[in-house]
Amino acid sequence: GAVVSQHPSRVICKSGTSVKIECRSLDFQATTMFWYRQFPKQSLMLMATSNEGSKATYEQGVEKDKFLINHASLTLSTLTVTSAHPEDSSFYICSAKLDRIYGYTFGSGTRLTVV
Amino acid sequence: AQTVTQSQPEMSVQEAETVTLSCTYDTSESNYYLFWYKQPPSRQMILVIRQEAYKQQNATENRFSVNFQKAAKSFSLKISDSQLGDTAMYFCAFMKQTGANNLFFGTGTRLTVIP
Repeated sequence: GAVVSQHPSRVICKSGTSVKIECRSLDFQATTMFWYRQFPKQSLMLMATSNEGSKATYEQGVEKDKFLINHASLTLSTLTVTSAHPEDSSFYICSAKLDRIYGYTFGSGTRLTVV
Repeated sequence: AQTVTQSQPEMSVQEAETVTLSCTYDTSESNYYLFWYKQPPSRQMILVIRQEAYKQQNATENRFSVNFQKAAKSFSLKISDSQLGDTAMYFCAFMKQTGANNLFFGTGTRLTVIP
């Protein structure tokens, strides 16, 4: 089946540094990638939608300058958390759209801890 | 705007018994898709079952079935013969058929299967 590989699975970084999270579609081309954020014991909240070769669309309230999304190829989308702060600590999940019937496939998530 | 409501934050069921998780949604769309996703402790999102709104027949996948009531905007998940591996967070999700095609998630129900 369609697999999205997400790395790293866990990362700890110092406040003020930047962290890059990668999502690769292994056996299909992901035209559209969604990035979600999940706080402990809460639901997934959509942060942004990225389409290959174009600028990402951010949801209201999401700082586009803090959460940089790049989708330069059909198999790779990245989320960079810039100048990370402790409040950015969260679980980040990417999801690639397959088609309207089969829905989506998800990466395994990245737990970011900013200290 | 689309909203998805899961009114049961936590539920438990004895192994081999049957449990039903509830989900309601609100939308002005007439064509859409509904999903149930499972998120076990590994945090990997796994598709459990999906339903096309234009289909009257309830979807079934082995031990998992749904009760889709379009007029009531209700989409409950029934798990039969519960197994220990069913212990997870379960999220109900909605997707429009046209336009923006991201998933809207409910707040989730934490299901514990008791041996």
